[in-house]
Amino acid sequence: AQSVSQHNHHVILSEAASLELGCNYSYGGTVNLFWYVQYPGQHLQLLLKYFSGDPLVKGIKGFEAEFIKSKFSFNLRKPSVQWSDTAEYFCAVNLITDSWGKLQFGAGTQVVVTP
Amino acid sequence: EAQVTQNPRYLITVTGKKLTVTCSQNMNHEYMSWYRQDPGLGLRQIYYSMNVEVTDKGDVPEGYKVSRKEKRNFPLILESPSPNQTSLYFCASSDWDRGTPLHFGNGTRLTVT
Repeated sequence: AQSVSQHNHHVILSEAASLELGCNYSYGGTVNLFWYVQYPGQHLQLLLKYFSGDPLVKGIKGFEAEFIKSKFSFNLRKPSVQWSDTAEYFCAVNLITDSWGKLQFGAGTQVVVTP
Repeated sequence: EAQVTQNPRYLITVTGKKLTVTCSQNMNHEYMSWYRQDPGLGLRQIYYSMNVEVTDKGDVPEGYKVSRKEKRNFPLILESPSPNQTSLYFCASSDWDRGTPLHFGNGTRLTVT
């Protein structure tokens, strides 16, 4: 079955530390890739997306992600986190097929940044 | 203001009592979708619609119905709710073929007792 895996369920780190969240998917075809963030009590917001082209994608709030096709991965990174980055982060994958409206999310990674 | 509006925000109901959660968007988006969010499971797609009168099942469609009679509205219907449908529900819309991101509503927290 097709799936999206996020390796860490909870991450705790200090301000100014670097963050990397893993995301792997199991689809073999062409995909669109996304990272969304959900701040406490809010709805999801798009951080960044990859459709094609440069596999290193820059998003909002200093986040970036790298698409490595051979590894079926789309890891999210931020060099130096802030307390305000405390949130839940979701990787999402859209497989470009006849049913291309289906968008599958990972289980999410809860990130807590301590002062 | 561009937005996706869901109602109600909170709903407590009893098993078997039909309910509808409304979703409306003012961005003229063709694509709309419903998700449920459960702890440890992330968001799972229930149904989506690529355009008016075009709907398709997501990953967890059992127990739900949708309709898309107008472009702006995409209601989620639970004909006979059960406790395992207690969840946080999100509606979203997008200009899917232009690659724009999903715009999410603020969510509906449903409790079925």
